[in-house]
Amino acid sequence: GQQLNQSPQSMFIQEGEDVSMNCTSSSIFNTWLWYKQEPGEGPVLLIALYKAGELTSNGRLTAQFGITRKDSFLNISASIPSDVGIYFCAGRSGGSYIPTFGRGTSLIVHP
Amino acid sequence: DGGITQSPKYLFRKEGQNVTLSCEQNLNHDAMYWYRQDPGQGLRLIYYSQIVNDFQKGDIAEGYSVSREKKESFPLTVTSAQKNPTAFYLCASSIDRGLVNQPQHFGDGTRLSIL
Repeated sequence: GQQLNQSPQSMFIQEGEDVSMNCTSSSIFNTWLWYKQEPGEGPVLLIALYKAGELTSNGRLTAQFGITRKDSFLNISASIPSDVGIYFCAGRSGGSYIPTFGRGTSLIVHP
Repeated sequence: DGGITQSPKYLFRKEGQNVTLSCEQNLNHDAMYWYRQDPGQGLRLIYYSQIVNDFQKGDIAEGYSVSREKKESFPLTVTSAQKNPTAFYLCASSIDRGLVNQPQHFGDGTRLSIL
């Protein structure tokens, strides 16, 4: 099956720092999705990417669809305490609407 | 407001007991999904359904069953055959009318524990 590697597994940062996380796949994806999950809640969609090379922002969040179509990254600028949570990437290949999820990056922001 | 509602929020199961988790959506989405989430792991697909009265096994369907009698509802039964049911269960839905790139939207989950 498809393999999706998400890194880092966890991050402990100071408020105000920038954050970067990424996902790499063993196969080509047509769609990359980034979700955030807060404790005890379901994941919430942050950014959806549909074209290779696409760079999309949502407030302080920026995500890019890699040119090779096998990777994507998410950046968070000037982190704040409410950024705490688990960030998941997910990718979908052509002809399948079932996404493959990464294992998540746990982000902790110290005030 | 439109959304996905999962109930109950917390559920306890006794040995040998079947329990059913509810998932309802009013987004008029065609496809619905059930995932299991364990600490430190990603989301693992249990079952999914593209249309009413049809559903498919995901990666970890053993010990679970589903039904899709209505478009809005996709209940998951955790049977006594599931020997390690303690987990956080997430229901999701998405539009699926030839628009294969529509993202999934998730409910707030049900946490199932063994008594």
